[in-house]
Amino acid sequence: GDSVTQMEGPVTLSEEAFLTINCTYTATGYPSLFWYVQYPGEGLQLLLKATKADDKGSNKGFEATYRKETTSFHLEKGSVQVSDSAVYFCALSQEGGKLIFGQGTELSVKP
Amino acid sequence: GAVVSQHPSRVICKSGTSVKIECRSLDFQATTMFWYRQFPKQSLMLMATSNEGSKATYEQGVEKDKFLINHASLTLSTLTVTSAHPEDSSFYICSASLREGADTQYFGPGTRLTVL
Repeated sequence: GDSVTQMEGPVTLSEEAFLTINCTYTATGYPSLFWYVQYPGEGLQLLLKATKADDKGSNKGFEATYRKETTSFHLEKGSVQVSDSAVYFCALSQEGGKLIFGQGTELSVKP
Repeated sequence: GAVVSQHPSRVICKSGTSVKIECRSLDFQATTMFWYRQFPKQSLMLMATSNEGSKATYEQGVEKDKFLINHASLTLSTLTVTSAHPEDSSFYICSASLREGADTQYFGPGTRLTVL
């Protein structure tokens, strides 16, 4: 069945460092891909999405490109801030709108 | 826009009691709502999908008689954990989408259930 695999956390970075969180997927068909973020004590928020191959989703300095050839959707940010500390979830959508999530990657940014 | 609320945010109950969790879409009508369960340090697992006015569709392995879902209106879905036991302790999260099959979901803040 469809699945999403993310790099294990926690990831600890210094402020202004470059961030990459790897995400690969297995799916039949052509799912939409998402990154969600969960700040401490809050619900999930959609960070960005891409709906077809080679699409790039971007928001708040974060980017991810839908790579069909490598079945990947890696999340990147050029310069992280302390306020980016959160848990990041990669997900794909199945028919009917169901989401399949990766296991989540905890990011901790130190000043 | 697209705000989803959950109530309560936290509940502690005794084993054997039932607990109801509400999920509301505050500023939009949600044709479809989803219920997830999240264990500590783990991902979200979809429990069921509910469409307004019809029976919920449960994922494999989820007991529909234990986790009762009602989606009576376009802005409200409820999850009732019946005869709760300590193993039901978890973080329950709902989400809503604007239309059936839409690929964007809006998530509630979650409800922490602790069963003693």
